Amino acid sequence: ETGVTQTPRHLVMGMTNKKSLKCEQHLGHNAMYWYKQSAKKPLELMFVYNFKEQTENNSVPSRFSPECPNSSHLFLHLHTLQPEDSALYLCASSQFLTGSTDTQYFGPGTRLTVL
Amino acid sequence: AQTVTQSQPEMSVQEAETVTLSCTYDTSESDYYLFWYKQPPSRQMILVIRQEAYKQQNATENRFSVNFQKAAKSFSLKISDSQLGDAAMYFCAYRVNNAGNMLTFGGGTRLMVKP
Repeated sequence: ETGVTQTPRHLVMGMTNKKSLKCEQHLGHNAMYWYKQSAKKPLELMFVYNFKEQTENNSVPSRFSPECPNSSHLFLHLHTLQPEDSALYLCASSQFLTGSTDTQYFGPGTRLTVL
Repeated sequence: AQTVTQSQPEMSVQEAETVTLSCTYDTSESDYYLFWYKQPPSRQMILVIRQEAYKQQNATENRFSVNFQKAAKSFSLKISDSQLGDAAMYFCAYRVNNAGNMLTFGGGTRLMVKP
């Protein structure tokens, strides 16, 4: 696999379920990101990890719990979600080079539906 | 707070013709980067083109070019010789230099290409 991969591509879960989204990057990057893309809203940054350390938490509810065990893997653990959490969840990675054209590369996303 | 505005929710273009997508942004920073991303129906966000704010010369990538007007805070994308494969959502994004690696996205423009 090359680039940024995400699994699963589609997920349907009930409000009481616990599930996890997985992201893996094969680009040798140091930073990873979770975004939420809802219908009719701009992409919202959720979390940023640089060198495995969380550097941004954009006021995300605690029912979303990220985990970054190494620079290549990023998880988003989900529990007791609400129907309004249904969205496309995109993972991205970048080299994290401040002062330069640091560019984020995206995965294909996980389409999450909360019933 | 920085904001990115794409005033055209939808655009259409005839195959082989040229189309321009608009983007304006609001910032008090002087050193930043601007990006255009494409999101086809497969959902994978793909970088189309990027521009450093300190460069006066407009960026070009094959059939894609930008018209960067820093004073007007405008960053439009021109697609020449449109192809059916150009049909997608296009997102304009902004990142401040030396302030982390957070991207702020616009709401997107859906481009339809007519054969």
